[in-house]
Amino acid sequence: LAKTTQPISMDSYEGQEVNITCSHNNIATNDYITWYQQFPSQGPRFIIQGYKTKVTNEVASLFIPADRKSSTLSLPRVSLSDTAVYYCLVGPFQQGNTPLVFGKGTRLSVIA
Amino acid sequence: DTEVTQTPKHLVMGMTNKKSLKCEQHMGHRAMYWYKQKAKKPPELMFVYSYEKLSINESVPSRFSPECPNSSLLNLHLHALQPEDSALYLCASSQTIPESSYNEQFFGPGTRLTVL
Repeated sequence: LAKTTQPISMDSYEGQEVNITCSHNNIATNDYITWYQQFPSQGPRFIIQGYKTKVTNEVASLFIPADRKSSTLSLPRVSLSDTAVYYCLVGPFQQGNTPLVFGKGTRLSVIA
Repeated sequence: DTEVTQTPKHLVMGMTNKKSLKCEQHMGHRAMYWYKQKAKKPPELMFVYSYEKLSINESVPSRFSPECPNSSLLNLHLHALQPEDSALYLCASSQTIPESSYNEQFFGPGTRLTVL
């Protein structure tokens, strides 16, 4: 399984764009990149998943360069409620699989 | 209904007790998971069930015994636990045949277990 490396923590002011980068140098051809958000004492919540280039949904964007050895989760205009731990996962997607191994996570603190 | 429910929310048990954690989903998902999460650590995969059959056991001690009685229910039977087993136990489910361009796990709120 591809190992992931993320910053342990980040701070941001409200209203700013936050970019969290995940490194996954040994990503396999059939691996997808998935990000989850977790608040204290709650289960993780899916944010976004992608394979290459750029994926955007209503809450975030995911940028994946051509070599796929890293990815960046972009959160536009964060608010205090975005304070959480963000996990990057890398693993197979086809045939019903989904990435299962969580990285160490990035603790994002949003400051007013 | 996109919810995974877990009961109980909190559980305190002694090292000689037998207890069970329950997880339920009605999304038609045929893959279900148990994770263990210690404080300030990421969730660690314990077991994976696919079509009600155990497909992955991440070398979990036998004092944890999973069971999948039907496609909506997942249990985790606990016996002779140790204090270091105290943690948040998370259940999740996902599709086995994705219906869109992505496949996500839906997590329950977890059971906070304390072993005395």
